[in-house]
Amino acid sequence: DIVMAQSPDSLAVSLGERATINCKSSQSVLYSSNNRDYLAWYQQKPGQPPRLLIYWASTRESGVPDRFSGSGSGTDFTLTISSLQAEDVAVYYCQQYYTAPYSFGQGTKLEIK
Amino acid sequence: EVQLVESGGGLVQPGGSLKLSCSASGFRFSDSAMHWVRQASGKGLEWVGRIGHKPSDYETVYAASVQGRFSISRDDLENTAYLQMNSLRKEDTAVYYCSTQTYSGFWSAFYWGQGAQVIVSS
Repeated sequence: DIVMAQSPDSLAVSLGERATINCKSSQSVLYSSNNRDYLAWYQQKPGQPPRLLIYWASTRESGVPDRFSGSGSGTDFTLTISSLQAEDVAVYYCQQYYTAPYSFGQGTKLEIK
Repeated sequence: EVQLVESGGGLVQPGGSLKLSCSASGFRFSDSAMHWVRQASGKGLEWVGRIGHKPSDYETVYAASVQGRFSISRDDLENTAYLQMNSLRKEDTAVYYCSTQTYSGFWSAFYWGQGAQVIVSS
């Protein structure tokens, strides 16, 4: 099974500053036949379901603000929020959808400093 | 727009059974894989299982924690997926999310429903 590990577990950033969340998979999620990383990032606010932000490690879902970006390949990935807004307070999860079981990171709680 | 609506949640005694439904719209249901993911209160996301589409012979795969107790099925004519939960334990208490992967040459990431609360308690 692929284990996903996020860091840090929690993060406090000032409004307008950059927030960076890391995700590491225990094995590569790069699918060689199409050269795509099967890695997604989700945002979850209290009382709401997760919302897809980024898929294939770096492709922004339609409607997601461009301050959100994803990078990385293979086993190491990063979610960056370039200028933190108040509405970005949430828990963020990475997930590999390369193979079952489709595992998630433990989550990173993002707060305002 | 992908829309998923779960129903059937509630309170059930340990050892009991419950069946959740997930009604889908806004995408080609028959071309999709359907998943169930759960989240205990204050905890992270735990993938429960998946049912594939017809070309995969509706293959199912489950997390070890529910293998042999839970089963997923689907009705492509009704655009609905199901999660049958048997031999329920207190640790199965969670919000259960239905989610989907759509296929257009490549499998997408997950899109989510609003969730259904399941409480296992005597």
